[in-house]
Amino acid sequence: AQTVTQSQPEMSVQEAETVTLSCTYDTSESDYYLFWYKQPPSRQMILVIRQEAYKQQNATENRFSVNFQKAAKSFSLKISDSQLGDAAMYFCAYRSAGYGGATNKLIFGTGTLLAVQP
Amino acid sequence: DGGITQSPKYLFRKEGQNVTLSCEQNLNHDAMYWYRQDPGQGLRLIYYSQIVNDFQKGDIAEGYSVSREKKESFPLTVTSAQKNPTAFYLCASRKQARTDTQYFGPGTRLTVL
Repeated sequence: AQTVTQSQPEMSVQEAETVTLSCTYDTSESDYYLFWYKQPPSRQMILVIRQEAYKQQNATENRFSVNFQKAAKSFSLKISDSQLGDAAMYFCAYRSAGYGGATNKLIFGTGTLLAVQP
Repeated sequence: DGGITQSPKYLFRKEGQNVTLSCEQNLNHDAMYWYRQDPGQGLRLIYYSQIVNDFQKGDIAEGYSVSREKKESFPLTVTSAQKNPTAFYLCASRKQARTDTQYFGPGTRLTVL
């Protein structure tokens, strides 16, 4: 079974600085997707960024980028120029690439609570 | 606006009562999911449905039931058999294409009194 581990329960960053959130996962599959979701105090889960395992290039979305190391099974999220609105719980998630059924379910880590200091 | 709606936002239940949480989407998504979130834990899958009139148990289905009579709707019933129902419940949906992403509703906070 696949697992996702986030070893940093809490992180803090100064506004305008850069922070990196860690995520490791375990799987025997070669084709899968990895995600970072943000959950602000409103508790709405918001997709931040997505990585397809068969793509070597790291995904980037504006100030958010990932460092995907497939061999090491590592998927970290880098937030550049941190803003107060980035303060939230961040979840790393895994999904198999198979079609249909329980393979489509997301497997979540336990989250990292990010605080942004003004 | 297209999206996923969940109601109510807050729900209180007495022990021994069944309650139903609503989830509606107008995204024309095929698959719908229910997750449970507890403090200090990630989300865990309760039930999912890929097509109308069909649904499957997830990892923690005991004490819950669902129906999928319409593509747009996937209500979750928390029964009295669920021993510890106080939690935050999130509904999600996804188009069934291989590359598609799950999108989430705003959630329902259920508290058992």
